[in-house]
Amino acid sequence: DAEITQSPRHKITETGRQVTLACHQTWNHNNMFWYRQDLGHGLRLIHYSYGVHDTNKGEVSDGYSVSRSNTEDLPLTLESAASSQTSVYFCASSHDTYEQYFGPGTRLTVT
Amino acid sequence: GEDVEQSLFLSVREGDSSVINCTYTDSSSTYLYWYKQEPGAGLQLLTYIFSNMDMKQDQRLTVLLNKKDKHLSLRIADTQTGDSAIYFCAESTDSSYKLIFGSGTRLLVRP
Repeated sequence: DAEITQSPRHKITETGRQVTLACHQTWNHNNMFWYRQDLGHGLRLIHYSYGVHDTNKGEVSDGYSVSRSNTEDLPLTLESAASSQTSVYFCASSHDTYEQYFGPGTRLTVT
Repeated sequence: GEDVEQSLFLSVREGDSSVINCTYTDSSSTYLYWYKQEPGAGLQLLTYIFSNMDMKQDQRLTVLLNKKDKHLSLRIADTQTGDSAIYFCAESTDSSYKLIFGSGTRLLVRP
């Protein structure tokens, strides 16, 4: 069955380190999205991509970057992790429709 | 800018109806969604409604849209303990596949 996976599911890192969160989908979806979920804020869009080599900034993109070298993957990189980036991160994908399919999430703690 | 608001918490007794409310500000919203998030999981699309509709019913779920007041509601009939989750309202427009989420309403169903 097609699916969307995220890894790792849990990560603890130190301030200043570079961290990459993986997102992989097997639906061949064009569109992929990264969100962070924080109490009281719901989900906020970090970056998104509408296809290979396309990336766009979302609402809260500072301190994050993405690259899209193939259809299946959209890794999210924190260049220099900060405590404010402690959050739960969700990846989602869609194929030219408005229904987004979400991964199970990655809980990131920056100490 | 775009904004979606929801109340944070709702508690109901099993078997009663639940009504979760949402307001949005973007008058160009074309599609409005309800997503459900169970503990430790990603979001799952429950239902959606086009902005030219007033109501949509899907089994125990009824979505009502008041476009004039920019108010969306989700009614769950015969609420069960398995309905306990966080419910997110979201909007999108014709111009992109991005979703703007509310902060989520935590529904607690008491036995």
